[in-house]
Amino acid sequence: GENVEQHPSTLSVQEGDSAVIKCTYSDSASNYFPWYKQELGKGPQLIIDIRSNVGEKKDQRIAVTLNKTAKHFSLHITETQPEDSAVYFCAARDRGSTLGRLYFGRGTQLTVWP
Amino acid sequence: ETGVTQSPTHLIKTRGQQVTLRCSSQSGHNTVSWYQQALGQGPQFIFQYYREEENGRGNFPPRFSGLQFPNYSSELNVNALELDDSALYLCASSLRGVEQPQHFGDGTRLSIL
Repeated sequence: GENVEQHPSTLSVQEGDSAVIKCTYSDSASNYFPWYKQELGKGPQLIIDIRSNVGEKKDQRIAVTLNKTAKHFSLHITETQPEDSAVYFCAARDRGSTLGRLYFGRGTQLTVWP
Repeated sequence: ETGVTQSPTHLIKTRGQQVTLRCSSQSGHNTVSWYQQALGQGPQFIFQYYREEENGRGNFPPRFSGLQFPNYSSELNVNALELDDSALYLCASSLRGVEQPQHFGDGTRLSIL
């Protein structure tokens, strides 16, 4: 099955700086890559996703890039704010799966200091 | 639009007992997936339900079972609870389809004593 690796496991930035979280995947058949934000005591919230026919997608301060050749994708948060502090998960889903099963990374704890 | 709701929010059981967790899918969604999230880990896929049938399973034993009802809500049942079953159990709903986004509820925190 798919294996998703996520780095770093923890990330601390000053308010206003940028944050970058990177993920790699193993199955070249994967074609859908969502990112989730999980706050304490809450479930994962979908913040952005990208499909394999697109190299980059942006939504206000959040962007995701995908390199299919290298099998890695990244989340970029600009102008970080304290409310961005949370655990972020990347995930991958393979084209051959009719289930829509997601394979998750182990998460990145992002802390934004005011 | 109502999001995914799960009940109960917290539950404490002892080894060997059985538990039932419930999930109401987001309005209009016909597919429900269940995940287990151990502390400090990413969610792990348990199984998915579509049209009231199990539509695939991850690496979980048969004592993990489920149901989906005509209104698309779902239950997760776990028999013969073990200490390692302590985790956050998440339900995600979506429309049928490989590229349909999954939306999660806030989960049920299950503690096994």
